[in-house]
Amino acid sequence: GDSVTQMEGPVTLSEEAFLTINCTYTATGYPSLFWYVQYPGEGLQLLLKATKADDKGSNKGFEATYRKETTSFHLEKGSVQVSDSAVYFCALRGSDTGFQKLVFGTGTRLLVSP
Amino acid sequence: EAQVTQNPRYLITVTGKKLTVTCSQNMNHEYMSWYRQDPGLGLRQIYYSMNVEVTDKGDVPEGYKVSRKEKRNFPLILESPSPNQTSLYFCASSLQGPGYGYTFGSGTRLTVV
Repeated sequence: GDSVTQMEGPVTLSEEAFLTINCTYTATGYPSLFWYVQYPGEGLQLLLKATKADDKGSNKGFEATYRKETTSFHLEKGSVQVSDSAVYFCALRGSDTGFQKLVFGTGTRLLVSP
Repeated sequence: EAQVTQNPRYLITVTGKKLTVTCSQNMNHEYMSWYRQDPGLGLRQIYYSMNVEVTDKGDVPEGYKVSRKEKRNFPLILESPSPNQTSLYFCASSLQGPGYGYTFGSGTRLTVV
């Protein structure tokens, strides 16, 4: 079945550092890919998405490119801020479940210090 | 404002006492789902619904019930809660189709003692 693998956290960075959080997936066909962010005490918010190969999703300075050849959707940001500290979830919506179910990775905690 | 509303936000209950967590969305979404979030296990789907009167089991349905009598509401029912159901629960909704993300509620933190 469909699955998502994220890098283990926490990822600890200083403010203005470059961020990469790795995400790879296993799915048949062409799933849609998503990044969600969860701030402390809150629900998950959609950060960005990509629905086909080579699409780049972007939002709030974050970017991720749908790489079919490497089955990856890595999250990047050029300069992180303290306010970016949160847990980030990679997810997919694939044909294995008729594109109904959102399958999540286990999440990566990002800690940004001033 | 487009949103998914869950109630209550926090709940402490005793083993065996039936409870209902409510979920309502105002976006006319067909698809609704319940997830639980546990440390080290990520988010696991409990039940989902593709439309009114259409529900199905997710990955961890044991001990839970749902109903979908109206499009906007999707309550989660624990008929006889046990301590292993202590968790953070999220309701989510979405339009049908691969390109749509889910909109999540703020969560319900349930403790069963």
